[in-house]
Order: sequence, then structure tokens, then C-alpha cells
Amino acid sequence: EVQLVESGGGLIQPGGSLRLSCAASGFAMNYNYMSWVRQAPGKGLEWVSVIYSGGNTHYADSVKGRFTISRDNSKNTLFLQMNTLRAEDTAVYYCARGNSAWYDYWGQGTLVTVSS
Amino acid sequence: EIVMTQSPATLSVSPGERATLSCTASQSVSSTLAWYQQKPGQAPRVLIYDVSTRATGIPARFSGSGSGTEFTLTISSLQSEDFAVYYCQQYNKWPQTFGQGTKVEIK
Repeated sequence: EVQLVESGGGLIQPGGSLRLSCAASGFAMNYNYMSWVRQAPGKGLEWVSVIYSGGNTHYADSVKGRFTISRDNSKNTLFLQMNTLRAEDTAVYYCARGNSAWYDYWGQGTLVTVSS
Repeated sequence: EIVMTQSPATLSVSPGERATLSCTASQSVSSTLAWYQQKPGQAPRVLIYDVSTRATGIPARFSGSGSGTEFTLTISSLQSEDFAVYYCQQYNKWPQTFGQGTKVEIK
């Protein structure tokens, strides 16, 4: 059974850093592309970043230069390093497994709140 | 960036009735469009991909159609568990973009 479990969210002050993790089971992450998608409170879905099976990455303009996506194949875990956080980064962050560019499995999400 | 616009924002439907949700892309996305359902406090769940292919386990009352810039999700006979928010997503070009969502509520 495929499962994705995010962790690492919490309350952080503006300008701070946070690292999110997404532990995968039931499949080998390095054979799929994986994305982070976020959802601000009461708002819609926003794609944040993707890492392909070959390791290439893409970022939304809103996070480029501040966020870094990576994965540890040995631990089958996806990461999102978030630096210089802003209030507008407040959201539930989901990791999602790509299947030919749409997403077939999603984690339950982890809440990041950026506030002083 | 391709902008996805969904209408209506809210759709009030009685159980057993048909619901038709629209999604318009600011430029052609060919057939690279998916639909997701999200219930409160839950992650999104894929319903339809490649415009009209139902994902595994999705009931036949859900169907998708369209091409280019105009797309439709139809729920033929609404069940109680179908009241939720629905999002379309284009994956033709990066960045992938989602519509703002259509909330299907009980009339």
C-alpha cells in the first residue's frame, strides 16, 4: 500500500527556516517524480516544487531561491528546505506522487504557520 | 503561467441531481487536465486524469470531457459523499496550475 507521511511543520517566525519531510512507503520514490503542493488556509492548491526521478528540480516563482527540494533514496524520504519564510508561506504542505504529471497519492499534509 | 478558472465558485445541488463543473484554461493545455476532489480536513484525491480517464476506484458517475481550453466534470447523480470542493489541474506546462475550486454543496 502506498503511503506518504509528512512531518516537520510548525510555528516559525518570519525570516526563519524549516525543513519538511515526507516518508514514503509502498513504492520506491526514486522511480517517480515527487512534488510539494501547498494550500493556504481557506484557499486553493498551489504547486510549489518538483523533483524528477533523475534528480532535476523545478520551483514556483514564489519560492524560487528560498526553498530547496531533495530526497534521500536510501530512506525513501522527500524533503523541502524552506528558508527566509514569509507570512504568505503559511499553508498546509502536501507531498504528492506524480503519475505522468498528475498526482495519484497525497500525504495528509503538515501545517506551516509563519507568524511573529 | 497558465491560469485555470473554474465556475461556478459554488454549486448547490440536491442529492440525486446532476452536477456540471467547468474549468477554463487561459491557453490550450491539450489533454493534460486532471480533476481532484477534496473534503474538509483531507488531502485531495484524484478523480479524473487526461481529461476523461477515471482514476482507480472512482465511480462511473464521475466523468470528464473537453479539450484545449474548455473542460467539464460531470457528476451524474450526486451522492452524499460527493459534497466537497473540486479542483482542476493542468500539467501541460510548468508551473502546473490549479483552478481556484468549485464547492459542491447540498441544496
